[in-house]
Amino acid sequence: AQKITQTQPGMFVQEKEAVTLDCTYDTSDPSYGLFWYKQPSSGEMIFLIYQGSYDQQNATEGRYSLNFQKARKSANLVISASQLGDSAMYFCASRADYGGSQGNLIFGKGTKLSVKP
Amino acid sequence: KAGVTQTPRYLIKTRGQQVTLSCSPISGHRSVSWYQQTPGQGLQFLFEYFSETQRNKGNFPGRFSGRQFSNSRSEMNVSTLELGDSALYLCASSLGPAETQYFGPGTRLLVL
Repeated sequence: AQKITQTQPGMFVQEKEAVTLDCTYDTSDPSYGLFWYKQPSSGEMIFLIYQGSYDQQNATEGRYSLNFQKARKSANLVISASQLGDSAMYFCASRADYGGSQGNLIFGKGTKLSVKP
Repeated sequence: KAGVTQTPRYLIKTRGQQVTLSCSPISGHRSVSWYQQTPGQGLQFLFEYFSETQRNKGNFPGRFSGRQFSNSRSEMNVSTLELGDSALYLCASSLGPAETQYFGPGTRLLVL
């Protein structure tokens, strides 16, 4: 079984600064994917970034990057140059990859990020 | 391209009633998954459909059921509603089971 741990219930960051949201995972699956989603107060989950367990390089998408440390089983999200619109809940999720048949997403409890002007 | 749409967005029901929620995936997406989000339990997987077949099911009672139509639209049904079913129900679609899931805005269900 997979498990995602996000140890920071809430985080504050000053506008224009960078912030790191922590995520550790526990899985016995040899192949898996790691995801980060953003959930504003409106409720919709917005996909941010994906990292495959066999990807050699850390994933990047604009201001988002994923600091993937496989040996430590961590997949931290780094947001550079924070903006007020980044204030939201952030969820880390994992999914087992069973060859051509994938598992469902397992989510952490989330981190509430507040960006201060 | 339009995103995932869910209807209705808000719903109030009383205990014992049943409810049907609808999800229209992104055009071309054939896989639909459903999740329940509550403050206490967080995000939990309900079920996944691909090509009208349920591929995967979470640990929920039989009161929760779903289906997928030939146009990939999906519905989930909850019978004999309980207070604990109050939640945000999120639908996600993907091109296929191996692809990234994109979520809709959710349906907020309140059971009184």
